[in-house]
Amino acid sequence: GNSVTQMEGPVTLSEEAFLTINCTYTATGYPSLFWYVQYPGEGLQLLLKATKADDKGSNKGFEATYRKETTSFHLEKGSVQVSDSAVYFCALRNTGNQFYFGTGTSLTVIP
Amino acid sequence: GAGVSQTPSNKVTEKGKYVELRCDPISGHTALYWYRQSLGQGPEFLIYFQGTGAADDSGLPNDRFFAVRPEGSVSTLKIQRTERGDSAVYLCASSFSSGATDTQYFGPGTRLTVL
Repeated sequence: GNSVTQMEGPVTLSEEAFLTINCTYTATGYPSLFWYVQYPGEGLQLLLKATKADDKGSNKGFEATYRKETTSFHLEKGSVQVSDSAVYFCALRNTGNQFYFGTGTSLTVIP
Repeated sequence: GAGVSQTPSNKVTEKGKYVELRCDPISGHTALYWYRQSLGQGPEFLIYFQGTGAADDSGLPNDRFFAVRPEGSVSTLKIQRTERGDSAVYLCASSFSSGATDTQYFGPGTRLTVL
């Protein structure tokens, strides 16, 4: 089957700290992988994506690399800001165009 | 329109009632998706449309749930004989097409509460 497992939160970091949110997946075929972000009071927004193995998605200083050998798509940022406080969702799209989301990881960045 | 819109933003109903939730996708987007998000969970896929037809409705939990998109634009998710377990945020998303590189744009959701 298809599923996404991501690191449970909440995560609290100081400004300028390094961020990693782990995400692993199970899928049949060759899925595309995504990170979505939900800022307080707003809808889900695409943060970055990767459509094939070894691709790196990046946006707003966030990066994630599609690792087929470890079935992972960990989200990283070198220096977080208060404005990065949000809930982050890892997701996959399978070849049948169905999307599967993780349970979300809440991040709070304190000044 | 700027983005995906959903109405109502909140809906409170009583157990056993019928509800309709509406989604207006971004103009020109042919693919439309419905998800359900329970508290503390990620969105759960329900159904997606390519044009007017339901391309995949395998995520609908049972036959009380039904969705239509008669003109290939606006979609309505219909829930009959609502149950307390149906309480959740219902999200709609649209994309230009259903290709592997197409980005989904999400609406703000409808929060459904079944008393």
